Order: sequence, then C-alpha cells, then structure tokens
Amino acid sequence: DQQVKQNSPSLSVQEGRISILNCDYTNSMFDYFLWYKKYPAEGPTFLISISSIKDKNEDGRFTVFLNKSAKHLSLHIVPSQPGDSAVYFCAASARNQGAQKLVFGQGTRLTINP
Amino acid sequence: NAGVTQTPKFRVLKTGQSMTLLCAQDMNHEYMYWYRQDPGMGLRLIHYSVGEGTTAKGEVPDGYNVSRLKKQNFLLGLESAAPSQTSVYFCASKPRKLAGLTGELFFGEGSRLTVL
Repeated sequence: DQQVKQNSPSLSVQEGRISILNCDYTNSMFDYFLWYKKYPAEGPTFLISISSIKDKNEDGRFTVFLNKSAKHLSLHIVPSQPGDSAVYFCAASARNQGAQKLVFGQGTRLTINP
Repeated sequence: NAGVTQTPKFRVLKTGQSMTLLCAQDMNHEYMYWYRQDPGMGLRLIHYSVGEGTTAKGEVPDGYNVSRLKKQNFLLGLESAAPSQTSVYFCASKPRKLAGLTGELFFGEGSRLTVL
C-alpha cells in the first residue's frame, strides 16, 4: 500500500519555464512533508519542506504547496535550469511518531531541456 | 567533514552468500536509517535506530539484520542473499534535536548490491 504517490515517473520542461511536480498521500497522520533531489550515483539531498500548519513554503526558485483537504502537495521550480535535471522524491512523516520515519514516493525524473 | 559514508560502494554476491554494509557518520547524529531504492518503488525503509544499542524494523525488514554497537556506525547484514535483494542501499542519519522540528535526513552516496 503506497502511502505516498508520485504518479508521473518523468517530466520534461524547457529551460526558463516552470516545472511542477506532484505528490499525493493517503495517511492523514502525516504532518510534515519534504522534497528531496537526487542526481545519478549520489544520495538524495534535502530541498525544501513544509509543515501541515502551512499551505505554502518558498525558498528561492522552489515553492512547495500543500492542500491538506486533497492530501496533495506540489513542488514548483521557476525558472527551471539545466542543473535542476534530477530525480525528485516527495516524502512525508508523522512527527508525533517515534523516529519520524520518512515515507517516500516513487520519484519523478525531471529533465530540463535547453 | 565526511558526513555519511557507506562501504562498499559496489558488491556482487551469489545467492546464499552473506555480507555486511557499513554506514558511518561523523555528525554525532542519534538517529540512523537504512533504505533501499528500487525502480518504480522509491525509497523503502528497511531498519532504523534511535540510538546506540537500539534497532527497529521498518517497512521491508525481512532478510536483513542490523546492529548499532557504536553511535557513529550502523551495520546492515544480509545472512543469505537472494536476487530480490538486488538494489541500491542508502544509509541516512538525523540529529535527535531536530526530531520534533524537521524530518531532514542526511544521506550517504549509496551502495549498489547485485545478487546473482
């Protein structure tokens, strides 16, 4: 049972345009959400996060939106740059549960075309 | 500052062989995790530890054992490797002081294991 789902395995965007990556979750206990970025042959690196008490968090070119009623979050990258080409993982946790284990989605491969 | 280091980076095993993956972190983090990454499956939690001497099962623990004898090290063992354990394994760590505030994990570079 996949509690965190990224339904788009891949996404191709032109350089300078907006990239929108989507993520859905089923567990209503999740109250903290994160996006990780992964390059080939490297470990995932933290990108941006959002608490369930917010509906938006922004960090430079990256913005995460959370819609709790729809159990949906999205990552917006604008403008998209070639260095953004990577696999992006959505993750969620329930902070009142011990060790705050992260549950990850399947990942979306983003390709930015020059 | 090395962060999270995994050894070995690559390994090929025959079915039934055993091996141990070592994760070492130099950030004095209390929490450590082992994940596996498979195509179309994302990262799935195998085992984790909230401190020295403690371990717990994650989402897919079968066929694996772990030990946390020292705070900085978290070992993942395969007693009798199976082809289904072919995967990329990631170790991660997190300080306890951030446990209630963020869920950010610091990952190693991964260990690619192939079981023939």
